[in-house]
Amino acid sequence: DIQMTQSPSSVSASVGDRVTISCRASQGISSWLAWYQQKPGKAPKLLISAASSLQSGVPSRFSGSGSGTEFTLTISNLQPEDFATYYCQQAHSFPYTFGQGTKLEIK
Amino acid sequence: QVQLVESGGGVVQPERSLRLSCVASGFTFNNYPMYWVRQAPGRGLEWEAVISNDGSQKFYADSVKGRFTISRDNSKNTLYLQMNSLRTEDTAVYYCARDNKEVLGGGKYYYMDVWGRGTTVIVSS
Repeated sequence: DIQMTQSPSSVSASVGDRVTISCRASQGISSWLAWYQQKPGKAPKLLISAASSLQSGVPSRFSGSGSGTEFTLTISNLQPEDFATYYCQQAHSFPYTFGQGTKLEIK
Repeated sequence: QVQLVESGGGVVQPERSLRLSCVASGFTFNNYPMYWVRQAPGRGLEWEAVISNDGSQKFYADSVKGRFTISRDNSKNTLYLQMNSLRTEDTAVYYCARDNKEVLGGGKYYYMDVWGRGTTVIVSS
């Protein structure tokens, strides 16, 4: 199985900051990577597919990059509604696997 | 409005069974593969199973293989998860999700674009 490792596990930031979350795959997955946002008590929400393709309706302050084994989710100009937990997920091969999550907290 | 609604969760004793359902609306259900994903209390997301749009292909996580069965009834726009021999570690919120894909540069990139609100399963004696 492909293991996905996110870092950091948690990060504190302020409104207006820029934050970067990393995701590493245990083997190459090309660009078969998606990013999700989850708020407490809610279902996950798809942000980015194919490593860098922003979903319709997702603010442009979110961006994704990377390929192979190293990926990054960047959130620029943090807004209050962005404080949540973020997950990467590989869609290269079954079983699909998620990273352990990165909790973005208000400083 | 595209929507997925799960049901069937509850409190069940270890080794017993439970069947979850996920009713889809607002899209052509039989065009899409579907997933079950779970989240244990205070933990991250865990992919459990996938079924092809016609039900002919299924894949499972090792943690549920041989105990859980994913199925679908396209005439009822409904996805199922039959859970047998339940364990305390199966306690979680169970989400159904729709598979979708994006074609970029000749490649197909898959993702889960629609999620239900989840149904809670508690396995406890």
